Amino acid sequence: DAMVIQNPRYQVTQFGKPVTLSCSQTLNHNVMYWYQQKSSQAPKLLFHYYDKDFNNEADTPDNFQSRRPNTSFCFLDIRSPGLGDAAMYLCATSSPLAGESFAYNEQFFGPGTRLTVL
Amino acid sequence: QKEVEQNSGPLSVPEGAIASLNCTYSDRVSQSFFWYRQYSGKSPELIMSIYSNGDKEDGRFTAQLNKASQYVSLLIRDSQPSDSATYLCAPGLVAAGNKLTFGGGTRVLVKP
Repeated sequence: DAMVIQNPRYQVTQFGKPVTLSCSQTLNHNVMYWYQQKSSQAPKLLFHYYDKDFNNEADTPDNFQSRRPNTSFCFLDIRSPGLGDAAMYLCATSSPLAGESFAYNEQFFGPGTRLTVL
Repeated sequence: QKEVEQNSGPLSVPEGAIASLNCTYSDRVSQSFFWYRQYSGKSPELIMSIYSNGDKEDGRFTAQLNKASQYVSLLIRDSQPSDSATYLCAPGLVAAGNKLTFGGGTRVLVKP
């Protein structure tokens, strides 16, 4: 089955210790997104890739970086995690249709990675 | 005014009843609207998308869109305990570059 996969499902790190979260997809979608979701809050978009083009949200801290080495994989790097970065990190994908202005939007989510910072 | 507003709930409904969830949004020119279901500790799952005014039905779910009133709703008919979850409204706001902007979600509790 075509899907969005995230690894690991649970990640524990220490304050200030860099961590990398992984997302892969077999949907062949050209847009990949990273969201942060804290308890009882809405998902918050951090950034997205449209093919190789990186798009950062204005309020995403510099501590968060992303890489997309190929169509299938996208990584979220947190350079120096703080206690406030503990959250669920969600990867999503979408496949815009040519000529459709709102085609960014039907997104499919992976299972998420729960990050704990000690 | 928040960009996307939902009543946080919980919305408690008896099994077999209709659950009615509401969502208002700020961007008058938005064209795409989505409902996601999220179980506790899980990721959001797309359950409905709607682009035109009126009703769209899919199984026990009906989405209703009124662009003039900037209002989108979700009805869950014959509610089941397995429908107990948080439902996220997510318009593609033009002002946000057509990216999804999630509401805070409505928590639904279906009681047997």
